[in-house]
Amino acid sequence: GESVGLHLPTLSVQEGDNSIINCAYSNSASDYFIWYKQESGKGPQFIIDIRSNMDKRQGQRVTVLLNKTVKHLSLQIAATQPGDSAVYFCAESPDPGRRALTFGSGTRLQVQP
Amino acid sequence: EAQVTQNPRYLITVTGKKLTVTCSQNMNHEYMSWYRQDPGLGLRQIYYSMNVEVTDKGDVPEGYKVSRKEKRNFPLILESPSPNQTSLYFCASSLRSSEKLFFGSGTQLSVL
Repeated sequence: GESVGLHLPTLSVQEGDNSIINCAYSNSASDYFIWYKQESGKGPQFIIDIRSNMDKRQGQRVTVLLNKTVKHLSLQIAATQPGDSAVYFCAESPDPGRRALTFGSGTRLQVQP
Repeated sequence: EAQVTQNPRYLITVTGKKLTVTCSQNMNHEYMSWYRQDPGLGLRQIYYSMNVEVTDKGDVPEGYKVSRKEKRNFPLILESPSPNQTSLYFCASSLRSSEKLFFGSGTQLSVL
């Protein structure tokens, strides 16, 4: 079956640097994508979402880029802080109107002081 | 405060002893869902509910039951738990299906 995947299981960055977390998806019918952040011992927390009619969307210190041609999604975090250390999941909506999201296995972001 | 509340936070039980994990949301969301999270496997959907009295299987429904008698509550029932159901469980809700999900804090279940 089709699934959401992530390129890197662990990403280590220096505090203050920009972080880029990548995600590949294979379902061309997916029209909605979300990034979640999960800190240790907590439930996933919504960061930002994007619909397939957009290429880019910006939030506070975060930007999501969508490349439908190569089925690629990325999350950019500007000026990464220690509080950004967490596992990040991308998720896609492969079956609008019936089911919810299909999640990737996650990327761990480690911010070095 | 808008939230999804699930209880208990931690649960240790033995094989075959029926248990229920409760989930409640105060956002008047139509859609609710249960996920389990296992190392290396990510979040996998167990069951979901589009609205009151409407439930359906997700990707890994075997060994689980759910009910949706009220809009705010969506309990997860394990009639006869087995060790392979040891996992971290999350309840989530959204205004509609395929919208951003709001997650509870999780229930860590251990079945001995």
